Amino acid sequence: EDQVTQSPEALRLQEGESSSLNCSYTVSGLRGLFWYRQDPGKGPEFLFTLYSAGEEKEKERLKATLTKKESFLHITAPKPEDSATYLCAVQAMRNQGGKLIFGQGTELSVKP
Amino acid sequence: NAGVMQNPRHLVRRRGQEARLRCSPMKGHSHVYWYRQLPEEGLKFMVYLQKENIIDESGMPKERFSAEFPKEGPSILRIQQVVRGDSAAYFCASSTRDANNSPLHFGNGTRLTVT
Repeated sequence: EDQVTQSPEALRLQEGESSSLNCSYTVSGLRGLFWYRQDPGKGPEFLFTLYSAGEEKEKERLKATLTKKESFLHITAPKPEDSATYLCAVQAMRNQGGKLIFGQGTELSVKP
Repeated sequence: NAGVMQNPRHLVRRRGQEARLRCSPMKGHSHVYWYRQLPEEGLKFMVYLQKENIIDESGMPKERFSAEFPKEGPSILRIQQVVRGDSAAYFCASSTRDANNSPLHFGNGTRLTVT
């Protein structure tokens, strides 16, 4: 069964304190791995797509990396506005279109 | 360029009533997806539609739930005879024609409360 597990469930950082979020996955044929950010009361906001092991993507203070079993979202020198829930999702080769399997998310809180 | 529009944002229904949730995809997007987020749970896929066609409904409960995406107008998720367990946030997402290689863009959801 396809599965996505994110850790930790919650993470509290001080402003400027870099860290990483983990997304472990099992899927029969990975088409793509996605990272989203979700603010309270809002829908998920797309951040990155990764397709193959070794691939990396960057956007401002965020960098996503991918191996054959997991993905990391590295946050460098975070700011309070980075506080949100970060969601990881995978798309299996056998699924049509954009059917995604999501993890439970990591709730990030950055204190000034 | 408007994003994915969902309405209503909040919907309260009594047990046994019907709930209709509407979703207008982003301009130029022809693929629509519905996801449900239960309290303390992750997002779960429900159904994938293209215009006038249901492509994948493997995540839809077998009874009381239906979805459509007509030639004209928004996509509708319909829940008949709602029960308390249907209380959740329902998110719609859309993608371009090449859905296998384009990310989903989500709306801000409809929060359904069943009393």
